[in-house]
Amino acid sequence: DAGITQSPRHKVTETGTPVTLRCHQTENHRYMYWYRQDPGHGLRLIHYSYGVKDTDKGEVSDGYSVSRSKTEDFLLTLESATSSQTSVYFCAIRTGTEAFFGQGTRLTVV
Amino acid sequence: DAKTTQPNSMESNEEEPVHLPCNHSTISGTDYIHWYRQLPSQGPEYVIHGLTSNVNNRMASLAIAEDRKSSTLILHRATLRDAAVYYCILRDNNQGGKLIFGQGTELSVKP
Repeated sequence: DAGITQSPRHKVTETGTPVTLRCHQTENHRYMYWYRQDPGHGLRLIHYSYGVKDTDKGEVSDGYSVSRSKTEDFLLTLESATSSQTSVYFCAIRTGTEAFFGQGTRLTVV
Repeated sequence: DAKTTQPNSMESNEEEPVHLPCNHSTISGTDYIHWYRQLPSQGPEYVIHGLTSNVNNRMASLAIAEDRKSSTLILHRATLRDAAVYYCILRDNNQGGKLIFGQGTELSVKP
């Protein structure tokens, strides 16, 4: 599993509250990614990082921010959660050729 | 980002070969062809990748057309554990190595 851990694994939160999801890796890979997956859809890229403090937007970045102050941690923040952000969130790291994905965080916004 | 086109679903019988097609007519010279699969309730996992030549690994084979506008993932003997959604993805290492997923092909395997 390339030492990638997502936390929490499940969360229920109320509309309008901020939420932070954490992705942690143990192998110092440079590239990290956050995706979301909704029923019947493939994964959509939210943000990605190519180093400490170096991040960029993906396909669906509105309403999300990220931070990477240490190589091993990539945080995804929903600034003010909305019901449309109910989804399964996957973090990934990239080695030279492969990407490894975490087990996912199931977020429900009520 | 270059796009790929895959059939929404395919069926296979256990122990038989499976050929999963992918069209990528707008592929650029620097795009690698990657395949990932996603088992139920799990994150995607890497299957195989290639640039121009056909590739084999322990999981599958990848056949790439000479003009690189299409490719086929080959599972030599499907098992029930191969039932998953298979994604064909073009990855440009010059753009952060982003993996942009399409809809994928849902493979079902019948015993």
